[in-house]
Amino acid sequence: GAVVSQHPSWVICKSGTSVKIECRSLDFQATTMFWYRQFPKQSLMLMATSNEGSKATYEQGVEKDKFLINHASLTLSTLTVTSAHPEDSSFYICRVVGGSLYEQYFGPGTRLTVT
Amino acid sequence: RKEVEQDPGPFNVPEGATVAFNCTYSNSASQSFFWYRQDCRKEPKLLMSVYSSGNEDGRFTAQLNRASQYISLLIRDSKLSDSATYLCVVIKTVNSNSGYALNFGKGTSLLVTP
Repeated sequence: GAVVSQHPSWVICKSGTSVKIECRSLDFQATTMFWYRQFPKQSLMLMATSNEGSKATYEQGVEKDKFLINHASLTLSTLTVTSAHPEDSSFYICRVVGGSLYEQYFGPGTRLTVT
Repeated sequence: RKEVEQDPGPFNVPEGATVAFNCTYSNSASQSFFWYRQDCRKEPKLLMSVYSSGNEDGRFTAQLNRASQYISLLIRDSKLSDSATYLCVVIKTVNSNSGYALNFGKGTSLLVTP
């Protein structure tokens, strides 16, 4: 069965609204969660890294006030895209990591379309 | 120069063919290497790890050349179901505090035709 879930899997929203994406680890406690964004025909780009109970670390060029990350527990992290613009339309994927290099899993992704 | 570079392809090959992909990385301190497979509109899935001694899993063989800083993936007897994008992944440092941040190549697109 799935180890990581994301919700919603696909969302369409109007420009200017905010969208929250959830990432849940289902079978284990994730010490670290990563959020990636992938535009068509591009590689996955790391947006931010979060550890439970602490502030997320954002990659250069990623606006922390626009992409709010809340890692409230060892099984849940949320990414909120605030005041969404059409250029935020992308595939957002979370990755969760347990205690070892090989205990890492991707979520199924969330496709965001901003109209 | 990008940290991880791959030929985007597409590679169009007939069923049964052998196809090879290469990937180069820029940071000589990189420690761990993987090939992932990503189907359209899906998340990447781990295909195999890459070691200097080579790693074979059925029709798939991965190889690491540290001196030249490149990684290869060989697929023998291609199947239609092998059609996907293959991502080269490099981990720069193995640090439990950073949770193993991955560096992805853009991916190489493979299309296997009947």
